[in-house]
Amino acid sequence: DAKTTQPNSMESNEEEPVHLPCNHSTISGTDYIHWYRQLPSQGPEYVIHGLTSNVNNRMASLAIAEDRKSSTLILHRATLRDAAVYYCILRPTSGTYKYIFGTGTRLKVLA
Amino acid sequence: NAGVTQTPKFQVLKTGQSMTLQCAQDMNHNSMYWYRQDPGMGLRLIYYSASEGTTDKGEVPNGYNVSRLNKREFSLRLESAAPSQTSVYFCASSDPTSGGARAKNIQYFGAGTRLSVL
Repeated sequence: DAKTTQPNSMESNEEEPVHLPCNHSTISGTDYIHWYRQLPSQGPEYVIHGLTSNVNNRMASLAIAEDRKSSTLILHRATLRDAAVYYCILRPTSGTYKYIFGTGTRLKVLA
Repeated sequence: NAGVTQTPKFQVLKTGQSMTLQCAQDMNHNSMYWYRQDPGMGLRLIYYSASEGTTDKGEVPNGYNVSRLNKREFSLRLESAAPSQTSVYFCASSDPTSGGARAKNIQYFGAGTRLSVL
């Protein structure tokens, strides 16, 4: 299973954009890139996913490198409620139901 | 709109005791999962059930058994609890075979069961 590498922690000021990086150099052509986040004392929740093209939704944007070996989750205006652990995960398009969670990036948002 | 419901929320066991963690989802999902999360770590898959009537081992299945009781319910059993099984347990569900691309790729998680084994 392909794995991902993320920084252990990051800080951001409130109301500023946050760019959370993820390296996945062993990604295969059929792997989706998923992002989940885990708020304190809660289960993970889905944020966004993509395959090749950049993606936007109401929560965030996902920028995928042209060679797909890295991606960046972008929170356009961080709020205190965005403080969480963010996980970047690879999921094949078919044939498996397994997610491999790494240790994620703990985002601290400063007021 | 409950989503994924786990019971109990907290449990303390003595070494050697047994217990069953319950999970139910009301989204008509085919697939269900059990994860554990140790302090400061990411989630690790214990068992999963791709569809009703099937179960498969994940990364860390030793010491656990599961039952996919029906489409809604997926239980995790510890037959003889050990201190190493102290963890937070999460159940999740998804439907990777139907719906649009977004729907196929989302796992929905419960709030977790915090288990301590003394």
